[in-house]
Order: sequence, then C-alpha cells, then structure tokens
Amino acid sequence: EDKVVQSPLSLVVHEGDTVTLNCSYEVTNFRSLLWYKQEKKAPTFLFMLTSSGIEKKSGRLSSILDKKELSSILNITATQTGDSAIYLCAVEFNAGGTSYGKLTFGQGTILTVHP
Amino acid sequence: DTEVTQTPKHLVMGMTNKKSLKCEQHMGHRAMYWYKQKAKKPPELMFVYSYEKLSINESVPSRFSPECPNSSLLNLHLHALQPEDSALYLCASSRTGGYSSTDTQYFGPGTRLTVL
Repeated sequence: EDKVVQSPLSLVVHEGDTVTLNCSYEVTNFRSLLWYKQEKKAPTFLFMLTSSGIEKKSGRLSSILDKKELSSILNITATQTGDSAIYLCAVEFNAGGTSYGKLTFGQGTILTVHP
Repeated sequence: DTEVTQTPKHLVMGMTNKKSLKCEQHMGHRAMYWYKQKAKKPPELMFVYSYEKLSINESVPSRFSPECPNSSLLNLHLHALQPEDSALYLCASSRTGGYSSTDTQYFGPGTRLTVL
C-alpha cells in the first residue's frame, strides 16, 4: 500500500529559528512530491519535486528530494509568526490509466512560531 | 492567476436537504478534483474529472454526486447526508490531470459543510 509519512507531527519554535520538516514515502511508481502550506482554509502550493528537479528554493523556504532514501525535507530559515501553519507533503504515484493525478497526502506537520 | 473559487464558503444543511457545492477555475485547466478534509486530517481524494470525464471515484457513497458541466466548472450535489459528512470540501484543478509529470494541483478555499 502506498504510504506518505511526515515528521514531526507538530513543532513549536520561536521567531528566527530554522526548522526542518520531513516527509518519507513508500511507493511503487513515484512521479512527483509536492509541499503545501495550509492555514485556515485551502492548501497553497509551495514546491513540486521530481526526478528532474530535486531541489527547489523560494525565499526562506527550500526543499530537497532524496530519491535514494525516498524522502524529502522542507527547510524554513529565519521563521516568522506568519509561517505558522500545517505543512502537507503529497506524493503522486504513476499507476497508469485512471490513477494519473492522484495525490496521497501525509498527515501534516503543525508548525507554530512564537514571537 | 492560479485562482480556484468555491461557493458557498459555509453551508449548513439537514439530513433531508438537497444542496450543491460549486467550483470554478479559469486557468484553462482540464482536470478538476473534489477532496474531503476532516479536522486535523489531510485532504482525502473523492473524485477526479479529467477532460470533463469522471476518471477517479474513490468509492464515495452515492449521496455525493459530482458533475462537470464544462471544463471550467465542477459541482458536487449533496443529498441525504449524514452528520459524519460534516467537513471542509476542497476543490482543486490542474493543467492536464496528471498526464504531465510537472502537473500541479491548485486548491480553492473550500466549503465548510455542517450536516445537522
């Protein structure tokens, strides 16, 4: 069974700290790994990592895919209170046919940044 | 513009009511999705429409009925729901429905549904 596991489940830090969130997966045919940030409502897209794009960076956020270890990390440097959210990792599997476009989400990491 | 809109934002309904959720995108995306998200849980896929055809139904009960009138619109018709169906219902869209390895799903703000 395809599985996506995130750790830690929750994390409390102070502004200015650096955090590393982890995502590991067990799949049969990996296609891509996505990171989303979810605050009150909809998940907002952060990064997509694929075999041809294993490292992404945007401002204080960066992410790396380790295809050998079947995992990814999301780094946030110089955290701010606005970074407080649930960070979701999702993996898309290539099972062919109608399974295209199917994301399996991890359970999420709740990040709380205190002033 | 990566906007997916959903209406209504909140919906309260009784178990005998019939209601509909609406989702719209004007990004030219050809795949649209319905997810259900319970509190403190990740989104769970319900349905996928690819090029206006239902391509994935994740064994969702028939009291949920999706409809894709055109490539920009996705509806979810609700009938005889149960209190345990109360959740945040998220719509998403992507360019090709996963046929491209660089396809990304963009989510709408969701409809918070409460079934009494």
